[in-house]
Amino acid sequence: AQSVTQLGSHVSVSEGALVLLRCNYSSSVPPYLFWYVQYPNQGLQLLLKYTTGATLVKGINGFEAEFKKSETSFHLTKPSAHMSDAAEYFCAVSERSSASKIIFGSGTRLSIRP
Amino acid sequence: KAGVTQTPRYLIKTRGQQVTLSCSPISGHRSVSWYQQTPGQGLQFLFEYFSETQRNKGNFPGRFSGRQFSNSRSEMNVSTLELGDSALYLCASSARLAGQDNEQFFGPGTRLTVL
Repeated sequence: AQSVTQLGSHVSVSEGALVLLRCNYSSSVPPYLFWYVQYPNQGLQLLLKYTTGATLVKGINGFEAEFKKSETSFHLTKPSAHMSDAAEYFCAVSERSSASKIIFGSGTRLSIRP
Repeated sequence: KAGVTQTPRYLIKTRGQQVTLSCSPISGHRSVSWYQQTPGQGLQFLFEYFSETQRNKGNFPGRFSGRQFSNSRSEMNVSTLELGDSALYLCASSARLAGQDNEQFFGPGTRLTVL
């Protein structure tokens, strides 16, 4: 069975500082990996995804993530935080054979200090 | 291209009632998946419909059901509502084309409150 663990339910960084949101996954087969962002009272927006190929994935809004198979990790980073990055972030995994069934982590709320 | 739409956006029901939520996928998308989001349990997969057939199912009781119409629009029904069914219900659509990674696009959700 697949699962996702997000370390830290709440992360707070200063504006301009590095953002690092941690995600570890468990999957018996090569997975698809995702990061989604959710703003208050809104649905989910895909930030980036890893399906195959290059392990460093670049997404929208300056975010990127690196798939590390040996560490079963898919951490999300952004070099310089902006106030507009404040939101809930979800790491997620799905099987390639069942890509429509996404298993989500518990989420990390990102706060940005002025 | 219009995004995924969900109606209604907000709904208040009482225990024991039933409710039907609607989701219209992006034009051309044939797969619709439903998710429940609660503070306690997080985001959980309910089920997926493709070509009017349920293709995947999560671990929810039979009170939760769905269907898909020939135009790919989907409805989700919850019968005998319980307080714990209060949640944000999200639907997502994808093209579900063979050999492709088929990104899912999420709607804004329906906020259901059970009193």
